[in-house]
Amino acid sequence: GNSVTQMEGPVTLSEEAFLTINCTYTATGYPSLFWYVQYPGEGLQLLLKATKADDKGSNKGFEATYRKETTSFHLEKGSVQVSDSAVYFCALRGSNAGGTSYGKLTFGQGTILTVHP
Amino acid sequence: DGGITQSPKYLFRKEGQNVTLSCEQNLNHDAMYWYRQDPGQGLRLIYYSQIVNDFQKGDIAEGYSVSREKKESFPLTVTSAQKNPTAFYLCASSKAVASNNEQFFGPGTRLTVL
Repeated sequence: GNSVTQMEGPVTLSEEAFLTINCTYTATGYPSLFWYVQYPGEGLQLLLKATKADDKGSNKGFEATYRKETTSFHLEKGSVQVSDSAVYFCALRGSNAGGTSYGKLTFGQGTILTVHP
Repeated sequence: DGGITQSPKYLFRKEGQNVTLSCEQNLNHDAMYWYRQDPGQGLRLIYYSQIVNDFQKGDIAEGYSVSREKKESFPLTVTSAQKNPTAFYLCASSKAVASNNEQFFGPGTRLTVL
């Protein structure tokens, strides 16, 4: 079955530091990959996505590249802010070669990020 | 504004009682989902519904039940058969299940069993 593994947290950084949160996956077919962010006490928001190999998703200074050869989708940001403190989830959704999605999202366990001033 | 609402935000239940969590969406989405979130475990799918009057079990359906009588509503009942119900419950919706559309999430309901 499908699975997603994220780096263990929590991650604590100073403002303006470089961020990497590792994500690797196991899936059959041609999955789409996602990063979701959850701010304290709230639901999840889609941060970025990539639907095929070598695609780069980007939003709010965050980036992630779909690497099929290493089955990875690492999240990066060049300079984090205190407001980036949240829980970050990597997720995948399986699909067949024609791009038809199986709908279900499979999530990693989440990585807590804390950014200090 | 379009979106997903969940109520209540916090819910307390005594052991042995059933409790129903509300989820409403005004996005005109066909598909709706319920997830459970536990610390350090990410989100796990409980039930999902592709269309009105249809729903399917997810990965951890035991001890839960759902209904989908209206397109905009997908209530989740946590029954007394659920052995460890204390968790954060998230509802989501998307245009359709079999598509590449984004899932939008509600703010969640935190259920605590006393």
